[in-house]
Amino acid sequence: GAVVSQHPSRVICKSGTSVKIECRSLDFQATTMFWYRQFPKQSLMLMATSNEGSKATYEQGVEKDKFLINHASLTLSTLTVTSAHPEDSSFYICSARTALAGGPDTQYFGPGTRLTVL
Amino acid sequence: RKEVEQDPGPFNVPEGATVAFNCTYSNSASQSFFWYRQDCRKEPKLLMSVYSSGNEDGRFTAQLNRASQYISLLIRDSKLSDSATYLCVVNHGGYSGAGSYQLTFGKGTKLSVIP
Repeated sequence: GAVVSQHPSRVICKSGTSVKIECRSLDFQATTMFWYRQFPKQSLMLMATSNEGSKATYEQGVEKDKFLINHASLTLSTLTVTSAHPEDSSFYICSARTALAGGPDTQYFGPGTRLTVL
Repeated sequence: RKEVEQDPGPFNVPEGATVAFNCTYSNSASQSFFWYRQDCRKEPKLLMSVYSSGNEDGRFTAQLNRASQYISLLIRDSKLSDSATYLCVVNHGGYSGAGSYQLTFGKGTKLSVIP
């Protein structure tokens, strides 16, 4: 249980274009999903918390108009990187919150999307 | 003080060795604790939850000391496939619906198991 998919796994785009990343919980419903970014050899950085049916909560320093998050259903959240620039090149990972078999809430991660902006 | 602190390593150990990682957390109200592993260029994957009484899963043993706000992970009989970065993760909330939820990740401890 607790499988999270993410699409696409890799994208290369030109500077100025927008890129949409999808995150799906496959075998459970997730009222809360999270979007992270990870640069090479660095730790995970939380970008935003996405709640189904409401606006996302962004971490300090993350531009909400640049990183658009939509959590339209209990199994789908999307992140759109608008007007992407080379400095946005990174590994973007989503996760979904759930609890299995009565255990504590934790997060299960999608496989990530590697974005390269030329 | 950082919320979750880990020794970044790297820990370079021979196959078959026993290795232990430690982690400290700053929020005494933290309710649940986890170890994740992250392979190079991959997503983090849940390794195990950490319970107050300590728990074991095969070669992996996790322990929690609430008084010292300290978590540990012990790996016995290390395998080459154990090479990864191990993330200590702390949740200020608890079980579903019980209070606030905030998962904080440590920066990770890198382990390399050498043939």
